[in-house]
Amino acid sequence: QVQLQQWGAGLLKPSETLSLTCAAYGGSFSGYYWTWIRQPPGKGLEWIGEINHAGSTNYNPSLESRVTISIDTSKNQFSLKLRSVTAADTAVYFCARSPVPAARGLAWFDPWGQGTLVTVSS
Amino acid sequence: DIQMTQSPSSLSASVGDRVTITCRASQSIRNYLNWYQQKPGKAPKLLIYGASSLQSGVPSRFSGSGSGTDFTLTISNLRAEDFATYYCQQGYSSPLTFGGGTKVEIK
Repeated sequence: QVQLQQWGAGLLKPSETLSLTCAAYGGSFSGYYWTWIRQPPGKGLEWIGEINHAGSTNYNPSLESRVTISIDTSKNQFSLKLRSVTAADTAVYFCARSPVPAARGLAWFDPWGQGTLVTVSS
Repeated sequence: DIQMTQSPSSLSASVGDRVTITCRASQSIRNYLNWYQQKPGKAPKLLIYGASSLQSGVPSRFSGSGSGTDFTLTISNLRAEDFATYYCQQGYSSPLTFGGGTKVEIK
């Protein structure tokens, strides 16, 4: 049963780059889509984007200009970088696994990482 | 983007009650609708996928139905551990989107 563990810096200043990494333990890394989702405090969930083991990515257009998701299959890890952050990027960021790409239909998320609170403040 | 609208945004219920949460999509999403449960400080947990398929390990008191644009999540015989926030999510097209959530509180 795969488990996801994530880590990264929790406090950033405006204009800095958010950087988070998620590692998958105990299951297959290929054949899935590895995803980042965020949740501002007290608010709903926003899909950020996904990557597969071949490095193919798909991003939410609302964030695409600032986001890069990358993968390291040798370590079963994938990462998120979000550039030029502002206070609006303050959120809990989750990593998750999907069985299919967002464009194919019937994409769902299971399991999830534990979440990382990232606060952007001067 | 496909907009997902949940109702109600919150509800109060008692242990043993039957609870129904509604999710409406801004366009047809076939049966590509998933439900999650989130407790404070925790990651969401997948309950239902494909509108009505119960995720492994999820109690059978949770059920889902619907297709096209209108979907429901029903919790039969509500238990204390079911008090949480529930989200729907469309898996039909990118960008994937979530409903605003329904908080189920203790009456």
